[in-house]
Amino acid sequence: DGGITQSPKYLFRKEGQNVTLSCEQNLNHDAMYWYRQDPGQGLRLIYYSQIVNDFQKGDIAEGYSVSREKKESFPLTVTSAQKNPTAFYLCASSTRTGGNTGELFFGEGSRLTVL
Amino acid sequence: SQQGEEDPQALSIQEGENATMNCSYKTSINNLQWYRQNSGRGLVHLILIRSNEREKHSGRLRVTLDTSKKSSSLLITASRAADTASYFCATDARSSYKLIFGSGTRLLVRP
Repeated sequence: DGGITQSPKYLFRKEGQNVTLSCEQNLNHDAMYWYRQDPGQGLRLIYYSQIVNDFQKGDIAEGYSVSREKKESFPLTVTSAQKNPTAFYLCASSTRTGGNTGELFFGEGSRLTVL
Repeated sequence: SQQGEEDPQALSIQEGENATMNCSYKTSINNLQWYRQNSGRGLVHLILIRSNEREKHSGRLRVTLDTSKKSSSLLITASRAADTASYFCATDARSSYKLIFGSGTRLLVRP
Protein backbone atom coordinates (compact mmCIF):
# COMPACT_ATOMS: atom_id res chain seq x y z
CA ASP A 1 0.00 0.00 0.00
CA GLY A 2 1.17 3.53 -0.74
CA GLY A 3 1.89 5.83 2.16
CA ILE A 4 4.31 7.48 4.54
CA THR A 5 6.32 5.45 7.03
CA GLN A 6 7.91 7.05 10.05
CA SER A 7 10.27 5.32 12.44
CA PRO A 8 10.77 4.85 15.26
CA LYS A 9 7.32 5.43 16.77
CA TYR A 10 8.81 6.14 20.19
CA LEU A 11 12.32 7.35 20.94
CA PHE A 12 14.10 8.28 24.13
CA ARG A 13 17.18 10.43 24.10
CA LYS A 14 19.64 11.59 26.69
CA GLU A 15 20.53 15.25 26.78
CA GLY A 16 23.44 16.05 24.47
CA GLN A 17 22.70 13.29 21.98
CA ASN A 18 21.71 13.70 18.36
CA VAL A 19 18.88 11.51 17.06
CA THR A 20 17.61 10.90 13.54
CA LEU A 21 13.97 10.30 12.69
CA SER A 22 13.24 8.40 9.51
CA CYS A 23 10.55 9.28 6.95
CA GLU A 24 9.98 7.24 3.78
CA GLN A 25 7.23 7.64 1.17
CA ASN A 26 6.26 5.52 -1.82
CA LEU A 27 3.69 7.95 -3.21
CA ASN A 28 6.09 9.45 -5.77
CA HIS A 29 5.52 12.90 -4.26
CA ASP A 30 8.03 15.66 -4.91
CA ALA A 31 7.35 17.68 -1.75
CA MET A 32 8.05 16.49 1.80
CA TYR A 33 7.64 18.24 5.15
CA TRP A 34 8.55 17.91 8.83
CA TYR A 35 6.24 19.35 11.50
CA ARG A 36 6.53 19.48 15.26
CA GLN A 37 3.49 19.22 17.54
CA ASP A 38 3.53 20.00 21.26
CA PRO A 39 0.75 18.78 23.59
CA GLY A 40 -2.59 20.43 22.82
CA GLN A 41 -1.01 22.59 20.12
CA GLY A 42 -1.08 22.91 16.37
CA LEU A 43 1.64 21.93 13.95
CA ARG A 44 4.73 24.05 13.41
CA LEU A 45 6.84 23.66 10.27
CA ILE A 46 10.49 22.67 10.80
CA TYR A 47 11.80 22.02 7.27
CA TYR A 48 10.37 21.32 3.87
CA SER A 49 11.68 20.09 0.55
CA GLN A 50 10.16 20.68 -2.88
CA ILE A 51 12.59 18.50 -4.80
CA VAL A 52 15.53 16.14 -4.34
CA ASN A 53 18.73 17.81 -3.11
CA ASP A 54 16.90 20.96 -2.08
CA PHE A 55 15.21 21.98 1.19
CA GLN A 56 14.19 25.14 3.02
CA LYS A 57 13.88 26.15 6.66
CA GLY A 58 10.43 26.43 8.14
CA ASP A 59 9.39 28.49 11.14
CA ILE A 60 11.34 26.58 13.81
CA ALA A 61 14.45 25.13 12.08
CA GLU A 62 16.98 25.97 14.79
CA GLY A 63 18.48 22.81 16.31
CA TYR A 64 17.31 20.58 13.47
CA SER A 65 18.86 19.38 10.20
CA VAL A 66 17.56 17.45 7.19
CA SER A 67 18.75 15.88 3.96
CA ARG A 68 16.95 14.97 0.72
CA GLU A 69 19.27 12.69 -1.21
CA LYS A 70 16.46 10.50 -2.54
CA LYS A 71 12.92 11.37 -3.58
CA GLU A 72 11.51 8.75 -1.20
CA SER A 73 13.40 9.77 1.93
CA PHE A 74 13.52 12.90 4.11
CA PRO A 75 15.23 12.15 7.46
CA LEU A 76 15.22 14.67 10.30
CA THR A 77 18.08 14.97 12.78
CA VAL A 78 17.32 16.53 16.14
CA THR A 79 20.64 17.88 17.34
CA SER A 80 21.86 18.63 20.84
CA ALA A 81 21.43 22.31 19.99
CA GLN A 82 17.64 21.93 20.12
CA LYS A 83 16.80 23.22 23.60
CA ASN A 84 13.42 21.57 24.06
CA PRO A 85 13.21 18.55 21.74
CA THR A 86 10.54 16.56 23.57
CA ALA A 87 7.60 16.59 21.13
CA PHE A 88 5.57 14.65 18.57
CA TYR A 89 7.16 14.84 15.10
CA LEU A 90 5.10 14.41 11.95
CA CYS A 91 6.35 13.86 8.42
CA ALA A 92 4.18 14.51 5.37
CA SER A 93 4.35 14.56 1.60
CA SER A 94 2.30 16.16 -1.14
CA THR A 95 2.01 16.91 -4.80
CA ARG A 96 2.12 20.39 -6.20
CA THR A 97 0.00 21.39 -9.19
CA GLY A 98 0.31 24.78 -10.82
CA GLY A 99 2.04 26.24 -7.78
CA ASN A 100 -0.63 25.04 -5.35
CA THR A 101 0.08 22.68 -2.47
CA GLY A 102 -2.23 19.68 -2.66
CA GLU A 103 -3.41 17.31 0.01
CA LEU A 104 -0.79 16.34 2.58
CA PHE A 105 -0.35 12.68 3.42
CA PHE A 106 0.96 12.19 6.97
CA GLY A 107 2.87 9.45 8.68
CA GLU A 108 1.81 8.16 12.10
CA GLY A 109 4.40 10.28 13.87
CA SER A 110 7.44 9.79 16.08
CA ARG A 111 7.26 10.70 19.75
CA LEU A 112 10.62 11.88 21.08
CA THR A 113 11.26 12.15 24.81
CA VAL A 114 14.43 13.60 26.28
CA LEU A 115 15.40 12.01 29.58
CA SER B 1 3.98 31.91 12.74
CA GLN B 2 0.39 30.67 12.72
CA GLN B 3 -1.50 31.58 9.58
CA GLY B 4 -4.79 30.00 10.61
CA GLU B 5 -6.53 30.22 13.96
CA GLU B 6 -9.47 27.99 14.82
CA ASP B 7 -12.42 28.86 16.98
CA PRO B 8 -13.56 27.49 19.36
CA GLN B 9 -10.52 25.80 20.90
CA ALA B 10 -12.76 23.07 22.29
CA LEU B 11 -16.32 21.95 21.55
CA SER B 12 -18.49 19.38 23.32
CA ILE B 13 -21.77 18.25 21.75
CA GLN B 14 -24.26 15.41 21.96
CA GLU B 15 -24.31 12.68 19.34
CA GLY B 16 -26.64 13.65 16.50
CA GLU B 17 -26.03 17.38 16.86
CA ASN B 18 -24.13 19.48 14.32
CA ALA B 19 -20.63 20.78 15.01
CA THR B 20 -19.31 24.02 13.54
CA MET B 21 -15.67 25.09 13.64
CA ASN B 22 -14.25 28.32 12.29
CA CYS B 23 -10.87 29.26 10.90
CA SER B 24 -9.42 32.71 10.28
CA TYR B 25 -6.25 33.48 8.36
CA LYS B 26 -4.14 36.49 7.52
CA THR B 27 -2.81 36.46 3.95
CA SER B 28 -4.05 35.64 0.45
CA ILE B 29 -4.29 31.93 -0.22
CA ASN B 30 -4.32 29.41 -3.06
CA ASN B 31 -6.46 26.99 -1.07
CA LEU B 32 -7.54 26.10 2.45
CA GLN B 33 -7.62 22.55 3.76
CA TRP B 34 -9.17 20.84 6.78
CA TYR B 35 -7.58 17.90 8.57
CA ARG B 36 -8.59 15.57 11.37
CA GLN B 37 -6.30 14.07 14.02
CA ASN B 38 -7.21 11.30 16.41
CA SER B 39 -5.27 11.35 19.65
CA GLY B 40 -1.62 10.34 19.16
CA ARG B 41 -2.02 9.70 15.44
CA GLY B 42 -1.08 11.40 12.20
CA LEU B 43 -3.38 13.87 10.46
CA VAL B 44 -5.89 12.81 7.84
CA HIS B 45 -7.00 15.11 5.04
CA LEU B 46 -10.74 15.86 4.99
CA ILE B 47 -11.40 18.45 2.33
CA LEU B 48 -9.70 21.14 0.20
CA ILE B 49 -11.40 24.31 -0.95
CA ARG B 50 -9.81 26.57 -3.54
CA SER B 51 -9.72 30.35 -3.27
CA ASN B 52 -12.27 30.72 -6.09
CA GLU B 53 -14.76 28.36 -4.42
CA ARG B 54 -17.30 29.41 -1.78
CA GLU B 55 -18.70 26.11 -0.57
CA LYS B 56 -17.84 22.43 -0.80
CA HIS B 57 -19.47 19.25 0.47
CA SER B 58 -18.11 15.80 1.23
CA GLY B 59 -20.48 13.35 2.91
CA ARG B 60 -21.48 14.88 6.28
CA LEU B 61 -18.92 17.67 5.89
CA ARG B 62 -19.66 21.15 4.58
CA VAL B 63 -16.92 23.74 4.18
CA THR B 64 -17.40 27.40 3.36
CA LEU B 65 -14.78 29.97 2.42
CA ASP B 66 -15.11 33.75 2.57
CA THR B 67 -11.96 35.28 1.11
CA SER B 68 -13.16 38.83 1.80
CA LYS B 69 -13.27 38.04 5.52
CA LYS B 70 -10.33 35.63 5.34
CA SER B 71 -12.32 32.95 7.10
CA SER B 72 -13.60 29.42 6.64
CA SER B 73 -15.97 27.16 8.51
CA LEU B 74 -16.30 23.39 8.80
CA LEU B 75 -19.71 21.93 9.56
CA ILE B 76 -20.09 18.30 10.59
CA THR B 77 -23.73 17.26 10.46
CA ALA B 78 -25.37 14.50 12.50
CA SER B 79 -22.23 13.97 14.57
CA ARG B 80 -21.18 10.57 15.85
CA ALA B 81 -19.00 9.54 18.80
CA ALA B 82 -16.39 8.45 16.23
CA ASP B 83 -16.08 12.10 15.10
CA THR B 84 -14.31 12.86 18.41
CA ALA B 85 -10.92 14.23 17.34
CA SER B 86 -8.98 17.45 16.81
CA TYR B 87 -9.68 19.38 13.63
CA PHE B 88 -7.17 21.70 11.97
CA CYS B 89 -7.36 24.16 9.14
CA ALA B 90 -4.29 24.71 6.97
CA THR B 91 -3.65 27.42 4.44
CA ASP B 92 -1.60 27.31 1.28
CA ALA B 93 -0.52 30.95 1.09
CA ARG B 94 0.35 32.28 -2.34
CA SER B 95 4.04 31.91 -3.25
CA SER B 96 4.76 30.13 0.04
CA TYR B 97 5.21 26.51 -1.16
CA LYS B 98 4.08 25.20 2.23
CA LEU B 99 0.99 24.58 4.34
CA ILE B 100 0.64 26.46 7.62
CA PHE B 101 -1.62 24.94 10.25
CA GLY B 102 -3.80 26.55 12.86
CA SER B 103 -3.98 25.57 16.51
CA GLY B 104 -6.98 23.27 16.10
CA THR B 105 -10.41 22.65 17.60
CA ARG B 106 -10.83 19.68 19.94
CA LEU B 107 -14.24 18.13 19.35
CA LEU B 108 -15.86 15.77 21.85
CA VAL B 109 -19.04 14.02 20.75
CA ARG B 110 -20.86 12.51 23.73
CA PRO B 111 -22.79 9.27 23.11
